[in-house]
Amino acid sequence: DTAVSQTPKYLVTQMGNDKSIKCEQNLGHDTMYWYKQDSKKFLKIMFSYNNKELIINETVPNRFSPKSPDKAHLNLHINSLELGDSAVYFCASSLGTSGSYNEQFFGPGTRLTVL
Amino acid sequence: QQQVKQSPQSLIVQKGGISIINCAYENTAFDYFPWYQQFPGKGPALLIAIRPDVSEKKEGRFTISFNKSAKQFSLHIMDSQPGDSATYFCATGNNRLAFGKGNQVVVIP
Repeated sequence: DTAVSQTPKYLVTQMGNDKSIKCEQNLGHDTMYWYKQDSKKFLKIMFSYNNKELIINETVPNRFSPKSPDKAHLNLHINSLELGDSAVYFCASSLGTSGSYNEQFFGPGTRLTVL
Repeated sequence: QQQVKQSPQSLIVQKGGISIINCAYENTAFDYFPWYQQFPGKGPALLIAIRPDVSEKKEGRFTISFNKSAKQFSLHIMDSQPGDSATYFCATGNNRLAFGKGNQVVVIP
C-alpha cells in the first residue's frame, strides 16, 4: 500500500508545453505539499494545502498552479515549461501543520526534464 | 532566506565509525526538529525527530543531540554501515518545515 503516490515518475517534454503531475495520499492526512528538489538536492517548498485550502504559496512563477479537488489529492499543473523547471518534484502530506503533526510523508518524486 | 544551515556538506566515514552532521537554526520559537534520510531515486523519509524540551533522543544507532542555547541540533550515526549512505536533511519550523541543504554521507566498507 503506497502512502503517497505520484504520477508520472518521469516526465520528458519540450519547452513551452503544459504538463500536470498528480499526487494522492491514502494516509487520511489533512495537509499536502509540493516541493521542488534541484540538481544540488535543495528541497524548496512551493505550495501547501490544508483541507483543500491553500495555506502556503511561496514565490513561484504563476505558470505553476496547484489544485486540490479533495483532501487526498493535490495536483500540480505547469504552463509554458522552461528549461529551469527541470527538477524532481515531490508531493508530501502530513496530519497537520504544527509540531510533530508536521511529520511529512513524501512521495517517490516526479523527475521532470524540459528539453 | 535560509532558516537552517547544515554542516559539513559531505562526509565520508569508514564502516563502523561515527557519522556526525550538524544543523543550526535561527528562530527560537521553532518546536519540532526532524532529520530526514533520502536514498537516490527516492523521496525523503523521516529518520528521527526531537522536541525542544529534551536534549537527546536515541533510536537504534541514530541519536539526535539538541542544544537549545546554541540553537543547534546534530545527528549521530553510530556503527555506520554502507546502507546508511544517503543524503540527510535537517528541518525545523512551526507551521511549515524549512529544510537544510542536505549532507551527503558515504560509508565505505
